[in-house]
Amino acid sequence: DQQVKQNSPSLSVQEGRISILNCDYTNSMFDYFLWYKKYPAEGPTFLISISSIKDKNEDGRFTVFLNKSAKHLSLHIVPSQPGDSAVYFCAAGNNDMRFGAGTRLTVKP
Amino acid sequence: DGGITQSPKYLFRKEGQNVTLSCEQNLNHDAMYWYRQDPGQGLRLIYYSQIVNDFQKGDIAEGYSVSREKKESFPLTVTSAQKNPTAFYLCATYGAGRQPQHFGDGTRLSIL
Repeated sequence: DQQVKQNSPSLSVQEGRISILNCDYTNSMFDYFLWYKKYPAEGPTFLISISSIKDKNEDGRFTVFLNKSAKHLSLHIVPSQPGDSAVYFCAAGNNDMRFGAGTRLTVKP
Repeated sequence: DGGITQSPKYLFRKEGQNVTLSCEQNLNHDAMYWYRQDPGQGLRLIYYSQIVNDFQKGDIAEGYSVSREKKESFPLTVTSAQKNPTAFYLCATYGAGRQPQHFGDGTRLSIL
């Protein structure tokens, strides 16, 4: 029973364009949401977070949007760079986080 | 330099053998977690421990065991009862408040 879903297993964008990664969750009680970035053979590294009291959080090129009514969050990367190519996981929960299956982003030069 | 050390990076096991994956942290975090990653799936929680000498089953604990005798260490044993142990195993810690988990670099376990 997947409580957090990333329906796009992969995404390819051109360098300089916007990357939009999507994530849906089922539990309306979740109040904390994160995005992690993962390179092959390494552990995930924290990228950006948002709590349920906000609908947007921005950190440089990365912005996370939260739509609580739709139980949906998205990560926007603008402008995308080749070094952003990685697998991106979203996580949602309260204390115990649930992870999505990940989206592999490829940014082409 | 604070962090989480998982060892070994690659591990091979013969069928029917138990194997133990190491996770050590010097972040002084109380909570530690073990996740399993399979292709096309998210990180699934195996076991977690919020304090020394206490641990709880996660979503897929069958065939695994853990111990938490020290704050710094949370080893995971993959027993012969785990029917499909080939996966990438990640250890994570959690401090306090609204902070993200920190992850180790993982151990890839393969069956010979």
